Amino acid sequence: EAGVAQSPRYKIIEKRQSVAFWCNPISGHATLYWYQQILGQGPKLLIQFQNNGVVDDSQLPKDRFSAERLKGVDSTLKIQPAKLEDSAVYLCASSLGPGSGELFFGEGSRLTVL
Amino acid sequence: EDQVTQSPEALRLQEGESSSLNCSYTVSGLRGLFWYRQDPGKGPEFLFTLYSAGEEKEKERLKATLTKKESFLHITAPKPEDSATYLCAVQAYALNFGKGTSLLVTP
Repeated sequence: EAGVAQSPRYKIIEKRQSVAFWCNPISGHATLYWYQQILGQGPKLLIQFQNNGVVDDSQLPKDRFSAERLKGVDSTLKIQPAKLEDSAVYLCASSLGPGSGELFFGEGSRLTVL
Repeated sequence: EDQVTQSPEALRLQEGESSSLNCSYTVSGLRGLFWYRQDPGKGPEFLFTLYSAGEEKEKERLKATLTKKESFLHITAPKPEDSATYLCAVQAYALNFGKGTSLLVTP
């Protein structure tokens, strides 16, 4: 069974530039999550989708971050404009349902903002 | 507000030297407590779910236990391949992760 796929693995940008990350969850997983993990910290939930609807985006900085999950499968997370403090690993995860705490994570996309 | 505190932040063990990692939490309406393992450059990997005080789960050299205020991850006779960061997460609605304990097991 294929795992959660993410790209790109690494991205370096200047502050105020934009960046987009892509995620393909495990087939059949209705729930998709984007987490931000800053070095030395635990993952922090940015947004949770159930199929193509947003369940929780309370911690998403909506002035610069946006995410979509068209057709309830793939998802993209965009940051525009990026700030230095956005340097982090962006982890995508999926689960069978919204109440499951057993998440399957991708390898992450490491963003460095200079 | 949900809080998850893991200790110690880092732990170095000799191969075969057993120890425990701690996860203390405050949450309204705990639905589950989860342990994950994270290797460098990888995403977290699910290990255990615990739902109620007194529950225990085991997997190879790892055993997780849960009380009303904390959880322990016991590592028995660890091997170098057990070196990783161990993350604890609590679920009231969304998963709330702690900062993790970085474990290094030396030969």
